[in-house]
Amino acid sequence: NAGVIQTPRHKVTGKGQEATLWCEPISGHSAVFWYRQTIVQGLEFLTYFRNQAPIDDSGMPKERFSAQMPNQSHSTLKIQSTQPQDSAVYLCASSLRGGFAEQFFGPGTRLTVL
Amino acid sequence: QQKVQQSPESLIVPEGGMASLNCTSSDRNVDYFWWYRQHSGKSPKMLMSIFSNGEKEEGRFTVHLNKASLHTSLHIRDSQPSDSALYLCAASGNNAGAKLTFGGGTRLTVRP
Repeated sequence: NAGVIQTPRHKVTGKGQEATLWCEPISGHSAVFWYRQTIVQGLEFLTYFRNQAPIDDSGMPKERFSAQMPNQSHSTLKIQSTQPQDSAVYLCASSLRGGFAEQFFGPGTRLTVL
Repeated sequence: QQKVQQSPESLIVPEGGMASLNCTSSDRNVDYFWWYRQHSGKSPKMLMSIFSNGEKEEGRFTVHLNKASLHTSLHIRDSQPSDSALYLCAASGNNAGAKLTFGGGTRLTVRP
């Protein structure tokens, strides 16, 4: 079991550029979550898919951020026109099912916007 | 204001000592509490979860929950230097689905 895989591990973009982050959940897990972590804000929920369908995107900034899960083996988080305040570690997690199942976190993608 | 508050922000205990960490939710719709541990440069890993009033013990770790006050605590006995990490409390509720709301964390340092 390779665990949750996230690529790239580090990404540096210039202000105004686009960033796409990838997540491969643990095989057999039906729920995928995106969080971001900063020193100031801590660990914040962004969005959640179950069986590839978007369930809750209440944490997503309404502009510039979007997430998709085109198949059961990967999800993407896209940030358009990146800003310095988007700099954070973006964490993907998966669980066997939604609800109250344990969430397993990937290693994260550290995004730095210059 | 964060809906999940943790205290203290940082804690130093001697090796072999007891570490006690606290967490309270201000959201009455919370049903489950989770404790995650995050070592420096690593991702969070779940330690324990609890949803019933009372106590749950796993090895050196004990979790308490008081649902009336929405307060949970994590106690680590015989603390080891390898326990030094950021401890994150998270809450989830039946009206929020699987979303975890995290507290700001307690940074534990165990001094040899």
